[in-house]
Amino acid sequence: QVQLVQSGAEVKKPGSSVKVSCKASGGTFSTYAISWVRQAPGQGLEWMGRIIPILGVANYAQKFQGRVTITADKSTTTAYMELSSLRSEDTAVYYCARGESSTGSLDYWGQGTLVTVSS
Amino acid sequence: QSVLTQPPSVSGAPGQRVTISCTGSSSNIGAAYDVHWYQQLPGTAPKLLIYGNSNRPSGVPDRFSGSKSGTSASLAITGLQAEDEADYYCQSYDSSLSGSGVFGGGTKLTVL
Repeated sequence: QVQLVQSGAEVKKPGSSVKVSCKASGGTFSTYAISWVRQAPGQGLEWMGRIIPILGVANYAQKFQGRVTITADKSTTTAYMELSSLRSEDTAVYYCARGESSTGSLDYWGQGTLVTVSS
Repeated sequence: QSVLTQPPSVSGAPGQRVTISCTGSSSNIGAAYDVHWYQQLPGTAPKLLIYGNSNRPSGVPDRFSGSKSGTSASLAITGLQAEDEADYYCQSYDSSLSGSGVFGGGTKLTVL
């Protein structure tokens, strides 16, 4: 049974950074992509980027280029998403999700991590 | 402004059939990228409902079905039930965005 367990809620000041973790279990971590998706309060889903751990290569949505870094540690089967230069508009629930190899569907999701950016 | 366009809301009475459209372009749905659908109940993480345009993961009732044609896709729900009330999102990838993932804006389904 695949499970993705994310780190807890964070409160951050504008201009700071946040790093959210996503611990995977029950599957073959390295060969699947891990995507990060966020959802601002009352809004829709927004794809931020993904990494394929076995390749160590990440790609990012243009909107977040230069501000987001997605990494993966194969030894601990954990993926990370770090977002810098935080502003109030970054207040959202951040989800990690596993990308199925052949279709790219996001078949397993973490429980979400609320990041609140407030002075 | 989402890359994929969905109606903001749809509604139907119990037992009825509803459809949710997802309109893209030649660089995403029309470029042969698969379309996937997710259901999000209030306060919970999204759940994969349809993958690869028309396939249901194990455990998803056959009341849910998906299709794709050209630059559009649709999700159909038959025999509406109260527990189907949720937000639904389509998702694909886009070649003009370097293969980035893209979502529709979401559709709120209300069961009357």
